[in-house]
Amino acid sequence: GAVVSQHPSRVICKSGTSVKIECRSLDFQATTMFWYRQFPKQSLMLMATSNEGSKATYEQGVEKDKFLINHASLTLSTLTVTSAHPEDSSFYICSAREKGQGGTGELFFGEGSRLTVL
Amino acid sequence: RKEVEQDPGPFNVPEGATVAFNCTYSNSASQSFFWYRQDCRKEPKLLMSVYSSGNEDGRFTAQLNRASQYISLLIRDSKLSDSATYLCVVLRTGRRALTFGSGTRLQVQP
Repeated sequence: GAVVSQHPSRVICKSGTSVKIECRSLDFQATTMFWYRQFPKQSLMLMATSNEGSKATYEQGVEKDKFLINHASLTLSTLTVTSAHPEDSSFYICSAREKGQGGTGELFFGEGSRLTVL
Repeated sequence: RKEVEQDPGPFNVPEGATVAFNCTYSNSASQSFFWYRQDCRKEPKLLMSVYSSGNEDGRFTAQLNRASQYISLLIRDSKLSDSATYLCVVLRTGRRALTFGSGTRLQVQP
């Protein structure tokens, strides 16, 4: 099946620094990728929808200037957490649907990136 | 009210038991339904889609009741390896991203 790779899997950083997380679709093209965040014992919450070649669409309450999303190619989307604070510590997961599959095609998930901000 | 609601559990069952999870969704415009499985500190993985007529995949049976906006998952002959969190997931009409419930935790004991 399709594979989505996410990197890094785990990152620890100091408060105030920025962290970039990469999400790659390895064997398919994805015009749209989704970024989710999951706090312990809570559901995955959609942060933003990343669109290849255009601006990301952010969910209500998610600061676009703090969570920078770039989707420069059909196989790569990046999420940068700027000026990270301890409350940004979470599990960030990307997902992608193969181009042309439509809204009901299977969504493939990256392995997730666990961010800890000290 | 959450868009997708699940009993968080945990459900502690012995090996070989049958266990059922329920889920309700609030948006009647929801069009597609899924059960995902998430192991501790891992990404979610698709377990099965849920169809209006109900569907079965081995030991797993999923049911959908659109009138009651209710989805269920039945696991027969539970295995130790079934221990995980089961996420009820909904795709709303006109929306590309999935909406996740907070999950029901299952612990199968020897």
